[in-house]
Amino acid sequence: AQKITQTQPGMFVQEKEAVTLDCTYDTSDPSYGLFWYKQPSSGEMIFLIYQGSYDQQNATEGRYSLNFQKARKSANLVISASQLGDSAMYFCAMREGQGGSEKLVFGKGMKLTVNP
Amino acid sequence: KAGVTQTPRYLIKTRGQQVTLSCSPISGHRSVSWYQQTPGQGLQFLFEYFSETQRNKGNFPGRFSGRQFSNSRSEMNVSTLELGDSALYLCASSLKGQGASPLHFGNGTRLTVT
Repeated sequence: AQKITQTQPGMFVQEKEAVTLDCTYDTSDPSYGLFWYKQPSSGEMIFLIYQGSYDQQNATEGRYSLNFQKARKSANLVISASQLGDSAMYFCAMREGQGGSEKLVFGKGMKLTVNP
Repeated sequence: KAGVTQTPRYLIKTRGQQVTLSCSPISGHRSVSWYQQTPGQGLQFLFEYFSETQRNKGNFPGRFSGRQFSNSRSEMNVSTLELGDSALYLCASSLKGQGASPLHFGNGTRLTVT
């Protein structure tokens, strides 16, 4: 079964508008972490934001915020005021394992296109 | 601070050959992880090295191996290449290891097996 689900294959948004990228996860561990990465066409994966399962507040990093709904097991990325440079693939990932054997499990990703 | 450097950027090999990919992590990072990215399977974890020891391994056959040197630089080797090994191979370094600190990725090595 997929542990990270990103159901939107692609989205289009107008420049300067906000956009929400969906991510749901599946784990029975009480301690886990959720990450979002961006991958432009150049191929490099860029870390955007992190949310720990015990964090009381939703994570924010500049224009990025994470809408963390623990009971629903969702960790949606919100990008405010989209820019043309935000056009890229976006991946949600979850840390699983513990005690030095952690690894990240990535979702299939979704493609965001920002239109001028 | 220099980012993660992967060499080469592109490789073309034929079936049955072997290949070695190189990764230089961010200075001070002791963990190096390798991922394979394909359109069909997405990003799949290969292995992680921390202070020259393999700490974690994904579900890949033994043809995929790696090592890490004392300066934290890492190499990944794939022997007896198959067509299905064609992929983008991404290396990532982190300060404390996967999950404990964010991964910083390189630009990847695109391997084509013909």
